[in-house]
Amino acid sequence: DAKTTQPPSMDCAEGRAANLPCNHSTISGNEYVYWYRQIHSQGPQYIIHGLKNNETNEMASLIITEDRKSSTLILPHATLRDTAVYYCIVRVDTNAGKSTFGDGTTLTVKP
Amino acid sequence: DGGITQSPKYLFRKEGQNVTLSCEQNLNHDAMYWYRQDPGQGLRLIYYSQIVNDFQKGDIAEGYSVSREKKESFPLTVTSAQKNPTAFYLCASSRVIAGSSGANVLTFGAGSRLTVL
Repeated sequence: DAKTTQPPSMDCAEGRAANLPCNHSTISGNEYVYWYRQIHSQGPQYIIHGLKNNETNEMASLIITEDRKSSTLILPHATLRDTAVYYCIVRVDTNAGKSTFGDGTTLTVKP
Repeated sequence: DGGITQSPKYLFRKEGQNVTLSCEQNLNHDAMYWYRQDPGQGLRLIYYSQIVNDFQKGDIAEGYSVSREKKESFPLTVTSAQKNPTAFYLCASSRVIAGSSGANVLTFGAGSRLTVL
């Protein structure tokens, strides 16, 4: 699986958009980009995933660059409950559980 | 509601004792996984199972054992051979999202926190 690089921490004002970057310059053509988040002392929660195209669901939007070497997770209107560790994972789809969860980005949403 | 149930949520153990953490899912997922998380760090894979009666070691299997006798259940035993067992343990299962070319998503339980006294 491709290695990812995320900033260790970010702050965001409540109600503003939170833009979380992820670098995955060694991504292969068949690898998906997944985002999960983990609120303190809970299990991680799936947010969104994509292969080439930008994706949007009820939780977030995922923007993948044309060369697929980086992506950005966007929380359009961050709330205090979005404070969590966000993990960017890149892998093929054949074995979800072997995903590598690095240290992620700790997002703190401030009032 | 479908989901993954882990028990107990908190567990204390004396050194030299084996403990078993329970993980049950009613999602009809084929694959199940165990991860360990230490404070301030990411998740590390302990064991995983893709079908009943079969499982494979992950990155940090030493000192742990598992069984998969039923599709719904994947218990983890932390043995006395595990040198530093105090950690947060997470169980997960995986499904395939329909219409997404086989993209595979993990669903996690709430975790079990083990403390060795």
